[in-house]
Amino acid sequence: GNSVTQMEGPVTLSEEAFLTINCTYTATGYPSLFWYVQYPGEGLQLLLKATKADDKGSNKGFEATYRKETTSFHLEKGSVQVSDSAVYFCALKWSGGATNKLIFGTGTLLAVQP
Amino acid sequence: GAVVSQHPSRVICKSGTSVKIECRSLDFQATTMFWYRQFPKQSLMLMATSNEGSKATYEQGVEKDKFLINHASLTLSTLTVTSAHPEDSSFYICSAPPIAGTDTQYFGPGTRLTVL
Repeated sequence: GNSVTQMEGPVTLSEEAFLTINCTYTATGYPSLFWYVQYPGEGLQLLLKATKADDKGSNKGFEATYRKETTSFHLEKGSVQVSDSAVYFCALKWSGGATNKLIFGTGTLLAVQP
Repeated sequence: GAVVSQHPSRVICKSGTSVKIECRSLDFQATTMFWYRQFPKQSLMLMATSNEGSKATYEQGVEKDKFLINHASLTLSTLTVTSAHPEDSSFYICSAPPIAGTDTQYFGPGTRLTVL
């Protein structure tokens, strides 16, 4: 079936460090891929997305490239800030499924220290 | 951007009682809303799709008599956990797409249910 696997956290980094959070997926067809972020006390927010192979989603300095050959959608940021501390969720929506149904990974807690 | 609220944010109840959780779209109408459940250190799992004016669609393994969903208006969906037990303790999250058929969903902040 369809699934999303992302690296377990927590990930603890110093400010201005490079961030990578790995995400791989299993899906039939051609899914759309997403990264959502959940700041403390708030709801999930869409961070970025990619809808087809080789697309790169980007927002707020974060990037992720849809790699069909490796079924991956790793999240990267060149220089993290304390304000990036949050839980990050990788998710997919597959083309054969009902509209808007998402499958989430387990979430990765990022803690950035000053 | 679009805002989705949930009420209450936290609730503690005794085993055997029922608990209602509200999900509201504050600045848009939502014909569809989604209810998720999140266990500690686990992913969000879709429980059901709430459809305004019709019955909810439940995911496999979710007891529809246990988790009653009502989507009475274009801005409100409710999830009622009936005869709650400690194993129902969890974090419940709703979401809604402002535009039907699009990928974008807006999530509520979640409700922490603790059943004693």
